[in-house]
Amino acid sequence: QITLKESGPTLVKPTQTLRLTCTFSGFSLSTSGVGVGWIRQPPGKALECLALIYWDDDTRYSPYLRSRLTITKDTSKNKVVLTMANMDPVDTGTYYCVQVFNAFDVWGQGTMVTVSS
Amino acid sequence: QSVLTQPPSVSAAPGQKVTISCSGSSSNIGNNYVSWYQQLPGTAPKLLIYDNNKRPSGIPDRFSGSKSGTSATLGITGLQTGDEADYYCGTWDSSLSARVFGGGTNLTVL
Repeated sequence: QITLKESGPTLVKPTQTLRLTCTFSGFSLSTSGVGVGWIRQPPGKALECLALIYWDDDTRYSPYLRSRLTITKDTSKNKVVLTMANMDPVDTGTYYCVQVFNAFDVWGQGTMVTVSS
Repeated sequence: QSVLTQPPSVSAAPGQKVTISCSGSSSNIGNNYVSWYQQLPGTAPKLLIYDNNKRPSGIPDRFSGSKSGTSATLGITGLQTGDEADYYCGTWDSSLSARVFGGGTNLTVL
């Protein structure tokens, strides 16, 4: 069974850096074709893909947020970390960690992040 | 605004069929696979369709996907009240070098 779980702060202040961790099980990030991604959803709005990292260390970022994002992986610990700099209230929303293979195959439950002073 | 265009809402009666459209361009739908996701109220999205028309294990055959040119369609037959959800299409955009989603369609089963 594949599971993913997001962890990190629920509240951050404007200009701070957000650090989210995805801890997964049931698959390996060393398997060819497999990746892990971060997708966010502002309240009542659509999904937005932020960043992806693949088994071969290839990374892809949202062109609109590239300068603020960094995604890294620790294959041995089954963890993927997303950092997002210079947080703003418009970044408030639910952040999902997902397994990438055929598409966004399996999703974590999501973690709500609020940006407020 | 989303790169892919979906109708904001659709509705149909229980037992009926509904289709949800997703419109894009040659840089996304026209040359890449489309996937569809179901998001029940208060829950994380779930993959329904990948590679235009393939269903993951456990997804009933009431759900189907198709693609023609720069548009894709999700079909749901035998509608149930439990199908009430938001549905999103997604694909790769070669111009943006990024995965993109539609704005989502809210399905109401009357």
